[in-house]
Amino acid sequence: GDSVTQTEGLVTLTKGLPVMLNCTYQTTYSPFLFWYVQHLNEAPKLLLKSSTDNKRTEHQGFYATLHKSSSSFHLQKSSVQLSDSALYFCALSSPTGGYKVVFGSGTRLLVSP
Amino acid sequence: AQTIHQWPVAEIKAVGSPLSLGCTIKGKSSPNLYWYWQATGGTLQQLFYSITVGQVESVVQLNLSASRPKDDQFILSTEKLLLSHSGFYLCAWVEAPGNTLYFGEGSRLIVV
Repeated sequence: GDSVTQTEGLVTLTKGLPVMLNCTYQTTYSPFLFWYVQHLNEAPKLLLKSSTDNKRTEHQGFYATLHKSSSSFHLQKSSVQLSDSALYFCALSSPTGGYKVVFGSGTRLLVSP
Repeated sequence: AQTIHQWPVAEIKAVGSPLSLGCTIKGKSSPNLYWYWQATGGTLQQLFYSITVGQVESVVQLNLSASRPKDDQFILSTEKLLLSHSGFYLCAWVEAPGNTLYFGEGSRLIVV
């Protein structure tokens, strides 16, 4: 079945440093990939999404590129801020895959001063 | 604009007691609705989805059931709570498969 793998459970960084959160996926359908961010005691919200191969998508300083050849959709930011501390989920769905949406295990990003 | 509201915001319930969580969406007709469960700090586990009134599909049951009594309402329930039911329950809607999920504010459940 479909799956999403996030290899880092916790990433700790100092403010101003770059970050990359890994996401790889497996599916037999045409993949639509998402990054959701969840701040403490809040619901997840969309950060980025893409279904276009090799096209960079950006929002709020974060960016990601869907690479179908490597089944990856890594999330990056060039300079993290304290407010970026949150839980980040990579998710997979497909218009042809029915109504299932699969989430990765999540990566907690902690940014220190 | 569409709004999604969940109730109650939080509950503390005893093992073996019944549970009912609700979700209402406004501003969208015939929404595709989901229930997700999240253990503290954990991943989002899809439980149920519904694309129309009276129809619910189970993804992972976890000794829970769901119903869609109205077009804008989605209910999650169980007759007997387990300790493992503790967590954060999220209702969400999506325009169509492959589109963005929009979550409600969630209902936090502690089973003691």
